[in-house]
Amino acid sequence: ETGVTQSPTHLIKTRGQQVTLRCSSQSGHNTVSWYQQALGQGPQFIFQYYREEENGRGNFPPRFSGLQFPNYSSELNVNALELDDSALYLCASSSGGSANTGELFFGEGSRLTVL
Amino acid sequence: GESVGLHLPTLSVQEGDNSIINCAYSNSASDYFIWYKQESGKGPQFIIDIRSNMDKRQGQRVTVLLNKTVKHLSLQIAATQPGDSAVYFCAEKMAGTALIFGKGTTLSVSS
Repeated sequence: ETGVTQSPTHLIKTRGQQVTLRCSSQSGHNTVSWYQQALGQGPQFIFQYYREEENGRGNFPPRFSGLQFPNYSSELNVNALELDDSALYLCASSSGGSANTGELFFGEGSRLTVL
Repeated sequence: GESVGLHLPTLSVQEGDNSIINCAYSNSASDYFIWYKQESGKGPQFIIDIRSNMDKRQGQRVTVLLNKTVKHLSLQIAATQPGDSAVYFCAEKMAGTALIFGKGTTLSVSS
């Protein structure tokens, strides 16, 4: 049991719509990272939030945005959905931002299907 | 492109055999490495990690070896069991950067 919870577990959207995914980090962790995992691929880093600020970003367009709240939970928002956004979205919590080299604890993910 | 990759996309072993999953990394500045196991429909699960100041670390039935000279990482699973069947990812990191994953090796264990 990692303690990281994500919601919803599955959802279906159509092209052009917007989606919000949610993540509650493990107790004591102040850093949340979001990853996109396409079918058959390894997770790809989207961005990281540390103390409510974006603390690093991967190669994803601005329509991927996020928030972190004072309780360290986080949201991932994707606007103008495209078919290629269909993937498993993983949230991982840790401590100390990107400066820390420590274990990431992953949630079970939110499976997004864009039709 | 990706800086971490695995040598083989699939590995099939018999129950009770020892499994070795390999990974090559390209960033010599990476100083932290993790192996994750991902079962179908689930998030990655931590198996074992190793820092660059070590060349070997052992856990329960698993051993990670790090060869910095050739930038190679391996995961050894002793007495492989059907429950070990999953996709295994290596990942690398250095301070100030995100964890970078490879594409994964699918381990199939037959009884």
